[in-house]
Amino acid sequence: EAGVTQFPSHSVIEKGQTVTLRCDPISGHDNLYWYRRVMGKEIKFLLHFVKESKQDESGMPNNRFLAERTGGTYSTLKVQPAELEDSGVYFCASSQDWGTVYGYTFGSGTRLTVV
Amino acid sequence: AQRVTQPEKLLSVFKGAPVELKCNYSYSGSPELFWYVQYSRQRLQLLLRHISRESIKGFTADLNKGETSFHLKKPFAQEEDSAMYYCALAYSGAGSYQLTFGKGTKLSVIP
Repeated sequence: EAGVTQFPSHSVIEKGQTVTLRCDPISGHDNLYWYRRVMGKEIKFLLHFVKESKQDESGMPNNRFLAERTGGTYSTLKVQPAELEDSGVYFCASSQDWGTVYGYTFGSGTRLTVV
Repeated sequence: AQRVTQPEKLLSVFKGAPVELKCNYSYSGSPELFWYVQYSRQRLQLLLRHISRESIKGFTADLNKGETSFHLKKPFAQEEDSAMYYCALAYSGAGSYQLTFGKGTKLSVIP
């Protein structure tokens, strides 16, 4: 089966610009998660979709971040306007069932650099 | 609040030497712990879970609740073990199932 795919793999943007990251989960996986790792810090949970609904967005840092999952398929994470501290690697993961980390499959991540 | 600590940012060992990557956690509930690995230019992937008590690629990890630790061990390091290793704790929060990660340890195996 195809894995979790993230686009782009790298993005360099200027402070104040907008960037949209995309995640295509494994087909049939209802659960989709976003995580990020900023420089020198831990990988941190951002949010969790179940199909098209936001199950938990407690990790979203502020209202400059907007995540969507229209139709319960792929998801986008938009940062608008981007700030320097948003630089990092953004990971997406998907799973068939929630409550089992055994089923998490991660994407390769998008490296975002804000200059 | 839950927390995972990996005290070593970088660990270098010679090929054939034993490896121990340290992980300590803080969690009020019953912990569910994992080790994830990220090889160069590859995605983050699950290495092992404490609940399975398994050995993957020669690695083992034992949960020690008294010391709140989940150290990753391998008796003889191989060059292909060079990678970033992350310890993670799973918990249910706000109706979701989340992972809390440590900062990671970069393992470098010297030939």
